[in-house]
Formats: sequence, structure tokens, C-alpha cells
Amino acid sequence: AQTVTQSQPEMSVQEAETVTLSCTYDTSESDYYLFWYKQPPSRQMILVIRQEAYKQQNATENRFSVNFQKAAKSFSLKISDSQLGDAAMYFCAYRRGNTGNQFYFGTGTSLTVIP
Amino acid sequence: DGGITQSPKYLFRKEGQNVTLSCEQNLNHDAMYWYRQDPGQGLRLIYYSQIVNDFQKGDIAEGYSVSREKKESFPLTVTSAQKNPTAFYLCASSVANWGFYNEQFFGPGTRLTVL
Repeated sequence: AQTVTQSQPEMSVQEAETVTLSCTYDTSESDYYLFWYKQPPSRQMILVIRQEAYKQQNATENRFSVNFQKAAKSFSLKISDSQLGDAAMYFCAYRRGNTGNQFYFGTGTSLTVIP
Repeated sequence: DGGITQSPKYLFRKEGQNVTLSCEQNLNHDAMYWYRQDPGQGLRLIYYSQIVNDFQKGDIAEGYSVSREKKESFPLTVTSAQKNPTAFYLCASSVANWGFYNEQFFGPGTRLTVL
């Protein structure tokens, strides 16, 4: 099984500030996909952002962006201008490309936003 | 609205009883998944299915069973053989086109408590 590691069980950020959540993964594949999911207190999992491994350019979705370092097998999530609604558990996930039908999730980072 | 429904939201079971969790999707997705979520352990895969009448075990299949008689439905049975069934259960689905960055869509989850 693939390994996805989120080394920060908990993080906090001041409202309107920027925070970065880290994620590393272990793979021997060159073709794969990476995802960040958000799980708010309602526990509904929501896709935040995704990245294809063959793309050099880092993905961006409004206030959310990633720093994808393929050689280092690192996929961090940056949240800019943090809002109270960003408070949630964040999960990093990996899926192998082409034949990859399983998603592998990290253990999550709990983000607190301080007003 | 397209989406995934899970029922019930909360479920209580006595020890020794089997219980079935429902998962229905109207997204026309071929692939469906069941995950178990425990504090500090992220999402662990129980079973997944890529096509009707076919399914594969995930990392923690012992004590669980599934069926996939219809594309839209993927019920999970938690049997009395499952040693510690109290957990939050998430159902997910995905387009089964693995050469593209298709993400998983999640249901709202079922909280199972064994009394």
C-alpha cells in the first residue's frame, strides 16, 4: 500500500493570515494524482484542490494553492487569507495514475482558525 | 441534485448483531468505496467496487461484507465478527477513468455505535 504522511496533527492560524499544511508520500510511480480534501465539523468531505504529477505548475483554487515538489515527494497546501470557515480537518490523498483505482489518505491535520 | 446518500446518519447496534449501512449514488459512477474513519487514523479502505457484481477487499475487510447488485447501490454489512465496529463510516464514488484526475465524491457518513 502507498503511504501518505501528514506530520502535523494540529495547526492553528490567525484569521486573515496564511498557513501551510504539509504532506509527503511514498511511491515508485511517475504517474499519479494528489488531492487535498477538507472535512468540516459536519464531516462532509469536500475536495479542495488536486494536482497531476506530470504537471510542473502548482495547482491553485482561489485562496488555496499547493507546493508540489515531485522529487521530494511533497505536496503541501497553502491557505491564504484564512477565514473562520476554513477550520476543518484536512486530508491529503494519493492515487496512482492509469490503473490506480484506490485512493490512499493521510491521517489528517486539524486546522483551527483564531478570530 | 446529484450526489451520494448514506442512511441512517446514526446507528446503534447491540453486540452480536449484524447491521447494514446504506449507500446510494445518482452520479452514474462505476466505482464505489467504503471507508472507516477513526480518530487519528485517517480513512481506511474497507471494500471497493469498480463494476456491478464485482468488489475487492481493502485494507481492513475482516468482519465486513458488501454487495453490488446495482450500479447505484453499495451497501455495507458490519457483521458480529467485527471486533470493534464503533466508528464513522464513509461511502464514496468515482468515475472509473483512471487516466484522468477524477476525484472521489463522498456521502455524509454514518456514525455506528455498538452498545
